[in-house]
Amino acid sequence: DAKTTQPTSMDCAEGRAANLPCNHSTISGNEYVYWYRQIHSQGPQYIIHGLKNNETNEMASLIITEDRKSSTLILPHATLRDTAVYYCIVRVLDYGQNFVFGPGTRLSVLP
Amino acid sequence: SAVISQKPSRDICQRGTSLTIQCQVDSQVTMMFWYRQQPGQSLTLIATANQGSEATYESGFVIDKFPISRPNLTFSTLTVSNMSPEDSSIYLCSGRTEEAFFGQGTRLTVV
Repeated sequence: DAKTTQPTSMDCAEGRAANLPCNHSTISGNEYVYWYRQIHSQGPQYIIHGLKNNETNEMASLIITEDRKSSTLILPHATLRDTAVYYCIVRVLDYGQNFVFGPGTRLSVLP
Repeated sequence: SAVISQKPSRDICQRGTSLTIQCQVDSQVTMMFWYRQQPGQSLTLIATANQGSEATYESGFVIDKFPISRPNLTFSTLTVSNMSPEDSSIYLCSGRTEEAFFGQGTRLTVV
């Protein structure tokens, strides 16, 4: 079973920041938070991951609360091409452990 | 991250027949996985493809229905056997290092 809770859907205006929340209240100390997205008719795409510090890359920022029970993925300037289903996943850094995909958040970026 | 090529990208098959999907990674990876994504649903893990040995199947999936091969560290196949319309799905291959990366999927329609 997925260990995360995400809103079913969100809208965001083009050019504005998209803030996607994720609750993971049962996260263990050695579990990382991963974010993926799936654009229609494509395979999932890795976005970012982190353990406890905030992370930023060319695609997004990941903000993890101090107690690690929730996190937010931030797309700083959303474009129409960011319309996708976004998945928040928690897992240990073990190559053998599965990525368990929940239903995710369907983000619609509106013109 | 590595790049996964999956083929065919789509197919329409008659019930009772079998289809073999190929997955090629452009670099060696320790772990390879096969997922199914039914229409409107999230991803479900079918099995872990083990190099040189039998695949490890998740609950609800069996080798007779979904035989998997992995002859080396860069290649795997999934066969969907004796297909029925309920097998109509997107089938995704995944490789894993620190993160998971995915092929573009095979969209299978069984008629």
